[in-house]
Amino acid sequence: KAGVTQTPRYLIKTRGQQVTLSCSPISGHRSVSWYQQTPGQGLQFLFEYFSETQRNKGNFPGRFSGRQFSNSRSEMNVSTLELGDSALYLCASSLVGSGTAKNIQYFGAGTRLSVL
Amino acid sequence: AQKITQTQPGMFVQEKEAVTLDCTYDTSDPSYGLFWYKQPSSGEMIFLIYQGSYDQQNATEGRYSLNFQKARKSANLVISASQLGDSAMYFCAMREALDTGRRALTFGSGTRLQVQP
Repeated sequence: KAGVTQTPRYLIKTRGQQVTLSCSPISGHRSVSWYQQTPGQGLQFLFEYFSETQRNKGNFPGRFSGRQFSNSRSEMNVSTLELGDSALYLCASSLVGSGTAKNIQYFGAGTRLSVL
Repeated sequence: AQKITQTQPGMFVQEKEAVTLDCTYDTSDPSYGLFWYKQPSSGEMIFLIYQGSYDQQNATEGRYSLNFQKARKSANLVISASQLGDSAMYFCAMREALDTGRRALTFGSGTRLQVQP
C-alpha cells in the first residue's frame, strides 16, 4: 500500500510569490492534515480537511490556505511568501471514525520550501 | 503552558542497549491519545507507537514500548536493543478530544537520539 505522497519534495521561491503544495493520502484515508516544521517554532498544525471541508485550523495568517478534492487529495497554498515561511511542510492522512486505528496520522516525506 | 514537554534535547546510547526518551503532557481532557514519531534526516515522520488515555495496558510495538503513567502525565518511549538505524529525532505528540472530529496533533520539541557503535 502506497504511503502519503507529497510533491514537490523541494521548492525555491522568492518573497512575494505564491506556492502550491500537493498531498496524496494513503488509499482509503479521507482526512488530511498539514503541519509546518521550522527550527524556531517546531511542528505546528496548519489545518485539516475531511470531505472537502476544512474542519480545523491552526493559528496561521490567511495567506495559508488549502483545499481537498473529492478523491481526498489535498493542496495547500501560501500567497505573498515571506522569508519566515521557509520550512518543511508535512502532510498527514488518517482514517475517519472511532477506534485506535482511526486516531493515527501517517505522514509524508514533506516539501521543503525555501523562500529567498 | 507547554502541552507536550520533552526535556532531553539530545541523547546518546550504545548499540544494543535500551534507552528511554521522556515525555510529559498537560491536558484536562479525559479522552486523548499520545503518539511517538521518528524523524530521520530525510524528513519523513514515521509513526512508532500510540497510547490512548483509556487504554489499560502500556502499548508495545516490536522494540518500542510506551511507559504510560497517567497520574504523572508522562508517556516515555522505551527503545530496546538500540540499532544504528535508530539514530534520528523523536517526537512525542498528543491529540486531545478523541471523541470529536478534531485531529490536530500537538508536538513536543523533540529529542535527538544518537546510537553509537
